[in-house]
Amino acid sequence: GAGVSQSPSNKVTEKGKDVELRCDPISGHTALYWYRQSLGQGLEFLIYFQGNSAPDKSGLPSDRFSAERTGGSVSTLTIQRTQQEDSAVYLCASRLTTTSGAYEQYFGPGTRLTVT
Amino acid sequence: AQRVTQPEKLLSVFKGAPVELKCNYSYSGSPELFWYVQYSRQRLQLLLRHISRESIKGFTADLNKGETSFHLKKPFAQEEDSAMYYCALSGYSGAGSYQLTFGKGTKLSVIP
Repeated sequence: GAGVSQSPSNKVTEKGKDVELRCDPISGHTALYWYRQSLGQGLEFLIYFQGNSAPDKSGLPSDRFSAERTGGSVSTLTIQRTQQEDSAVYLCASRLTTTSGAYEQYFGPGTRLTVT
Repeated sequence: AQRVTQPEKLLSVFKGAPVELKCNYSYSGSPELFWYVQYSRQRLQLLLRHISRESIKGFTADLNKGETSFHLKKPFAQEEDSAMYYCALSGYSGAGSYQLTFGKGTKLSVIP
């Protein structure tokens, strides 16, 4: 079946512009995560959506970052007034969770953001 | 709070040598642990999870609750094992919510 998809695959933007990154999770997956992967910095957690619960925003680095998940499916990560340090690969992952347990997390291919 | 520590950013070994990628965790409950791998120009994917107790591509990992460790091991490294490896912990935080925390990752380089 279809995996997690993300768009665009690459985005080049000028400093100060806003960008939107999109994630389409696997159908039926209740949990959705956003991560940032910078060169040499590993995987940095940004935000986590679980069903209808309030999202865990504890990883967002500043108030320029926000994310939504509409209808429990597609998610959009928005970065306002982009800075050069925002340049990174942004990864989305989804996961099926139930009352009896949680399953494997599936990752998308990522969006490579370059801020010039 | 849950935390995952991978002390080595980079690990280089010769082909045929044993490999051990270290992972330590901090979690008050009963954790579920994973190893994820990212090969060059590919997406992150699950390598193995501790509850499966299986060997994938020759890799194994044993959960040691006493030492709070989940080290990844392979007896004989191969060039195709060169990749970025992430240890991850899943902890139940109530109301059907599962936090998933990743370590910073270890880049494994297998020298021919």
